[in-house]
Amino acid sequence: EVQLVQSAAEMKKPGESLKISCKGSGYSFTSYWIGWVRQMPGKGLEWMGMIYPSDSDTRYSPSFEGQVLISTDKSISTAYLQWGSLRASDTAIYYCARHLGQRHTFDIWGQGTMVTVFS
Amino acid sequence: QSVLTQPPSASGTPGQRVTISCSGSSSNIGSNYVYWYQQLPGTAPKLLIYRNDQRPSGVPDRFSGSKSGTSASLAISGLRSEDEADYYCAAWDDSLSGPVFGGGAKLTVL
Repeated sequence: EVQLVQSAAEMKKPGESLKISCKGSGYSFTSYWIGWVRQMPGKGLEWMGMIYPSDSDTRYSPSFEGQVLISTDKSISTAYLQWGSLRASDTAIYYCARHLGQRHTFDIWGQGTMVTVFS
Repeated sequence: QSVLTQPPSASGTPGQRVTISCSGSSSNIGSNYVYWYQQLPGTAPKLLIYRNDQRPSGVPDRFSGSKSGTSASLAISGLRSEDEADYYCAAWDDSLSGPVFGGGAKLTVL
């Protein structure tokens, strides 16, 4: 079965760092781009960026460039999304999803990771 | 403000047919495939329609998609209570060099 499994929910304080993960299985992890999508409470879906695990080619939405870092460890079929200094406005559900192709959107989604930033 | 425009809500009674529209531009829908996602409450989005009008295996044929120019539509026939969800359209955007989404339409089955 093709699936993406994400790390568990996180509760952090403003200013703290965080790295969440997304592990792929059931397919050739290095053959598909992996994207990250934010969903703020009660809001819609926003594309943050994507990475190609084979060569770590990474693209960011202008809205998220410089705010987050996307990386991958292809040896363990895992992609990551990380923050150096969290803000309350980063509170959201973050989904990883597999791109059907470079100029396509997503077919398989992870279950989501809830990130709560509060003081 | 989402790049793709959807109505915020839609509704119908069991058995009815409803459609949800999605409007974009030449840089997204006009030149790339449209995808539709269903998000049930508290769950991750699920692919409903890909490449404008294709259904993944397991998606009932009550769901259908179409595209014309810079607009697309999702039709749901034989409406059922379990269809209550948020529906999002999406497409690759050549200006952004990434995917863009509609704001989502909340479907209520009356």
